[in-house]
Amino acid sequence: NAGVMQNPRHLVRRRGQEARLRCSPMKGHSHVYWYRQLPEEGLKFMVYLQKENIIDESGMPKERFSAEFPKEGPSILRIQQVVRGDSAAYFCASSPGLENLEQFFGPGTRLTVL
Amino acid sequence: DQQVKQNSPSLSVQEGRISILNCDYTNSMFDYFLWYKKYPAEGPTFLISISSIKDKNEDGRFTVFLNKSAKHLSLHIVPSQPGDSAVYFCATLNNAGNMLTFGGGTRLMVKP
Repeated sequence: NAGVMQNPRHLVRRRGQEARLRCSPMKGHSHVYWYRQLPEEGLKFMVYLQKENIIDESGMPKERFSAEFPKEGPSILRIQQVVRGDSAAYFCASSPGLENLEQFFGPGTRLTVL
Repeated sequence: DQQVKQNSPSLSVQEGRISILNCDYTNSMFDYFLWYKKYPAEGPTFLISISSIKDKNEDGRFTVFLNKSAKHLSLHIVPSQPGDSAVYFCATLNNAGNMLTFGGGTRLMVKP
């Protein structure tokens, strides 16, 4: 009964490169959420997805960031042309659905931009 | 503008004593609050929650109190144990139930 899985756990990129963060929700969960934690801050909501649909992306930066949750495979958070300010811990959470909204978090991906 | 605030970045408590972690919020429309615990290099794990129709919820050593008029909630841990040392986040869930808004966290250190 695996929990939410995220990989990689650590990712180092140079400025201008692309970062791809993957999240596999818990078995049976069809809702995925991405949060970002900047150093010394709390987690901030980025985006909420269901299979093949973005439901709420009000927390996503307007440029360079995108997210998807395809019919098959993990959810992907993509950051293009990374900058130093993107360095943060990115957490994914999943929930079963509207009947149960409790969110279970993965261990996070720590992104470092050099 | 922070909608959920935890004004104490850290708290140190002796083992066996009570730990009290505080949280303030700005929006009186918030009606569901949660506490999460986070160890280093791990994701947050759910600890306890409270609905605005209650003013207290208890689960073992953990009790959450909600004061709606003051827009304040607190988490009490008694007795505190060294394994409770972690960062604690309070959060609120929006009406649609799809977005958690977190406070900045309080690092609790329980000394043996």
